[in-house]
Amino acid sequence: DAKTTQPPSMDCAEGRAANLPCNHSTISGNEYVYWYRQIHSQGPQYIIHGLKNNETNEMASLIITEDRKSSTLILPHATLRDTAVYYCIVRFAHRGSTLGRLYFGRGTQLTVWP
Amino acid sequence: DVKVTQSSRYLVKRTGEKVFLECVQDMDHENMFWYRQDPGLGLRLIYFSYDVKMKEKGDIPEGYSVSREKKERFSLILESASTNQTSMYLCASSSQQGWSNQPQHFGDGTRLSIL
Repeated sequence: DAKTTQPPSMDCAEGRAANLPCNHSTISGNEYVYWYRQIHSQGPQYIIHGLKNNETNEMASLIITEDRKSSTLILPHATLRDTAVYYCIVRFAHRGSTLGRLYFGRGTQLTVWP
Repeated sequence: DVKVTQSSRYLVKRTGEKVFLECVQDMDHENMFWYRQDPGLGLRLIYFSYDVKMKEKGDIPEGYSVSREKKERFSLILESASTNQTSMYLCASSSQQGWSNQPQHFGDGTRLSIL
């Protein structure tokens, strides 16, 4: 699985958009980009994933550059409850019994302040 | 919403005990996983299962076993608990629908302390 690079920490004011970058310059053609977050003492929470096109769901938007070497997770209106560690993961998608483990790096600690 | 439920949030056991961690998911997912999470080491995969009665070793299976008798339930067993198995244990599940790009959904974890 391709390695990802994220800033260790970011701040955001409540109500503003939080834009979390991720670099995955060695990503291959059939690797998906996933974002998870983990609030202290809880399990990781799935946010969104994508391959090439930008994706949006009720939680966030995922913007993937045309060359797929980087992506940005956007939380459009951050709240205090969005304070968490955010993990960007790339994972190979394939059939078969080898399902692909998730490798969580150090992630980005996002702090939303009032 | 996907619901993955782990039987205990906190558990304290003694060295040498046999420990059972239970995980149940309600989304009819085929795949289930057990990870442990330790500071500075991230998530490490212990075992996973892609079908009832099927299991495959992950990266750190030593000292653990698993059981999947029913589709919705995946149990992690510490055969003889040791202090180096003190950790946060996370269960996850995912669907096999389509390609294996379906996301894994996690429970809230069990913080296990071995004394």
